[in-house]
Amino acid sequence: AQSVTQLGSHVSVSEGALVLLRCNYSSSVPPYLFWYVQYPNQGLQLLLKYTSAATLVKGINGFEAEFKKSETSFHLTKPSAHMSDAAEYFCAVSEGQSGYSTLTFGKGTMLLVSP
Amino acid sequence: NAGVMQNPRHLVRRRGQEARLRCSPMKGHSHVYWYRQLPEEGLKFMVYLQKENIIDESGMPKERFSAEFPKEGPSILRIQQVVRGDSAAYFCASSQTGGGLTAEAFFGQGTRLTVV
Repeated sequence: AQSVTQLGSHVSVSEGALVLLRCNYSSSVPPYLFWYVQYPNQGLQLLLKYTSAATLVKGINGFEAEFKKSETSFHLTKPSAHMSDAAEYFCAVSEGQSGYSTLTFGKGTMLLVSP
Repeated sequence: NAGVMQNPRHLVRRRGQEARLRCSPMKGHSHVYWYRQLPEEGLKFMVYLQKENIIDESGMPKERFSAEFPKEGPSILRIQQVVRGDSAAYFCASSQTGGGLTAEAFFGQGTRLTVV
């Protein structure tokens, strides 16, 4: 079975600083990888996804992630944090089975942004 | 185009009662997934349904939990005889196709169940 590990349950940055949220996966087949954001009491919103095309994936709100097969990583970055980025971020891997897919999520990383 | 609609947003049940959670997928979507988010945990897959069919219920607890997606109306996740450990956020997602690995699933805002 595939799995996802997110390092750090909480990450704190100052406004304007670099954001780096770490995600490592395990998979016996080429993975499809996703980052979702969850604002308080809201559902999950897709930030970006990797589907075996370009290894550097650009998403919404200035976020991007790089797929590194050798490191089994898919870390999320943003050059300059905004206060509005404060939320919980989930990395997920897709498991395709018989023509459909389900998502396996990491435990999430809460991003805190201070003025 | 409305997104995935879940209701109620918040539900409080006493131990032993039944909880019914509803999910209306996005227009044109016939594939529904239910996930559960326990405190301090990521989302865990529960069940995948197409209209009138349960395709994969490998993540569903063996007892007290059931799901359906009738030909007409929303998908229902039903929890009988709730216990405190059922307290969690339950999310529904829908997709246009099963689509293999690249099908994008859109999530609802969730139902937060509290068992007292």
